[in-house]
Amino acid sequence: DSGVTQTPKHLITATGQRVTLRCSPRSGDLSVYWYQQSLDQGLQFLIQYYNGEERAKGNILERFSAQQFPDLHSELNLSSLELGDSALYFCASSVSGGESDTQYFGPGTRLTVL
Amino acid sequence: QKEVEQDPGPLSVPEGAIVSLNCTYSNSAFQYFMWYRQYSRKGPELLMYTYSSGNKEDGRFTAQVDKSSKYISLFIRDSQPSDSATYLCAIGRATGANNLFFGTGTRLTVIP
Repeated sequence: DSGVTQTPKHLITATGQRVTLRCSPRSGDLSVYWYQQSLDQGLQFLIQYYNGEERAKGNILERFSAQQFPDLHSELNLSSLELGDSALYFCASSVSGGESDTQYFGPGTRLTVL
Repeated sequence: QKEVEQDPGPLSVPEGAIVSLNCTYSNSAFQYFMWYRQYSRKGPELLMYTYSSGNKEDGRFTAQVDKSSKYISLFIRDSQPSDSATYLCAIGRATGANNLFFGTGTRLTVIP
């Protein structure tokens, strides 16, 4: 158990809908990362937050947004969902978000868009 | 061209075999290299981390980096059924935002 928690474990929804994925980092970790994992694209970095502020952006679509709250938990919002958004979404956390920080991954949320 | 290329396998070996997993990358600016293990229905977990050429050993696992060839490898000695998982290589820049480029993973099955 990495200490990172993600809810829900599974989410099934329809195209055009909006969902929110939630992540709680390990105790003491200030930085949160979001990744998308699909069969064809592998694991792709979406976005990173550090202590409430956006620190780095990867391949995140404009339909997706995220934020980190004062209690350090984070939410990833996915809107206008498309079939291709079906994937595993992982949250990871690290102590300071530095370049050599080890990232600890949560168990993921499996999103299915029908 | 993808930043990191990894043979997806699947790879199936008998227990006790030596396993070799490989990745190539395209950008010589990448300075640190990682291997993650991902069990089915779990998140990736860091296995090995190195940022220099050469070998790094940890128990039955050896990570090898060849920066001149832009080639990294993970060797598993005396493979066990518990090693059955998907192995992801990941690389990152030395400066700038802390993000990683992952390979698509190689699925390994160790047969008892």
